[in-house]
Parts: sequence; structure tokens; C-alpha cells
Amino acid sequence: SQQGEEDPQALSIQEGENATMNCSYKTSINNLQWYRQNSGRGLVHLILIRSNEREKHSGRLRVTLDTSKKSSSLLITASRAADTASYFCATDGSSNTGKLIFGQGTTLQVKP
Amino acid sequence: EPEVTQTPSHQVTQMGQEVILRCVPISNHLYFYWYRQILGQKVEFLVSFYNNEISEKSEIFDDQFSVERPDGSNFTLKIRSTKLEDSAMYFCASEGARELFFGEGSRLTVL
Repeated sequence: SQQGEEDPQALSIQEGENATMNCSYKTSINNLQWYRQNSGRGLVHLILIRSNEREKHSGRLRVTLDTSKKSSSLLITASRAADTASYFCATDGSSNTGKLIFGQGTTLQVKP
Repeated sequence: EPEVTQTPSHQVTQMGQEVILRCVPISNHLYFYWYRQILGQKVEFLVSFYNNEISEKSEIFDDQFSVERPDGSNFTLKIRSTKLEDSAMYFCASEGARELFFGEGSRLTVL
């Protein structure tokens, strides 16, 4: 799999259900970030998890990081129709710059 | 809340024409970036810019591309002679506290 590759590529759920998206990467990292993109819009930063952290929460978002498996997951609990968007993970590839390597993204559809 | 703004939101141009995409980063940020996203593909890093010079660039950022910060506020991406494959969304970002703040993007369509 390529750096920052998400699965599934597409996910469709009912409002109120939880959505889990996974990301795998290849190189060592300083941190991993998740972004959201509404159709045709810009990227919105959701959460950053550092390489020495295993889990982080922000509102209805829960992110885990397993550096031994080079993988991360994003869980959105109690999903809403407004959560419908594409979600991308991005890694810094252990650089100290803002150069991020994005995955292909997961397209989430939350049906009302 | 401060935000990164980009203009134009959409530009249509003929192949071979020069295009300049403009960005106003968040005012106290020091690191600036351009990324692009070809339709249906992932977001790709183009270039990073710090202290009035390029700090890193990708293979995509060839001699047809250039960046500058002409007046201390705008951050521009110039494509000298556009090709069909330059059609994409171009995102500007500025960095604060290790978080990248992205603009809404400029959609470039090359005909």
C-alpha cells in the first residue's frame, strides 16, 4: 500500500451509526493528521496525533495510532448527515516541515 | 477566525497560457505551501516556502512552476505555460503550531 492509504475507499452508513476509517503508511513519522474535505471545497484539519501517542479524542472523533503496524484509524461516533465528506490521512514522513503525504481518502456518506 | 484565502476560485485557460494563482496566508504564519489535487486523486505536495525562498519542492514542481511572495502578504503560484495535465485544484496552505491551514482552493481548467 502507498503512503497514507485509506480504507475503505467508500463508506455509506445511516445517521447515528459509527464510521471507522483506516489509514496505513510506509515510512516513519513524527505525526499523522486527519483532514476532511467537503465536495469541491478545501481541506479542514480535524486532528493531529503524534508518533508517541496511541489515542486521541476530539468531540465525536477518536483517532488511534499504531506505529508498529504503521496504521491509524479515525472513528466518528453518532454520525450525522453533515459528516458526509471525504476524509484523508496525511503523514509528515518524519520531516520537520509542513510537507504532508496524503492518502487517497475515504468517501463517507451518511444517510439521514 | 483567521483563514487562508485564495483567488481566483476557478480559472479556465488555454493550453500554453500563463496562469497566476494567488493566496493570502494567515498573517503571522511563516511557512507557506502549495498542494494540488487532480480530480478524483489524492492531494499532492508541490512546494514549501520559507523566508522568501523555496525550502522544498516535489518532482511535480518543474521549471514551469514558480512561487513568490511579492509584497509580504500575497503568496503566488505561477504556471508559465499550462498543459492539459495541469488541470487540478490548487490549494495554498500556511502553517501555525504544526497545523496546516488550507484555503478553499483554486480550480484550474486547461483547455
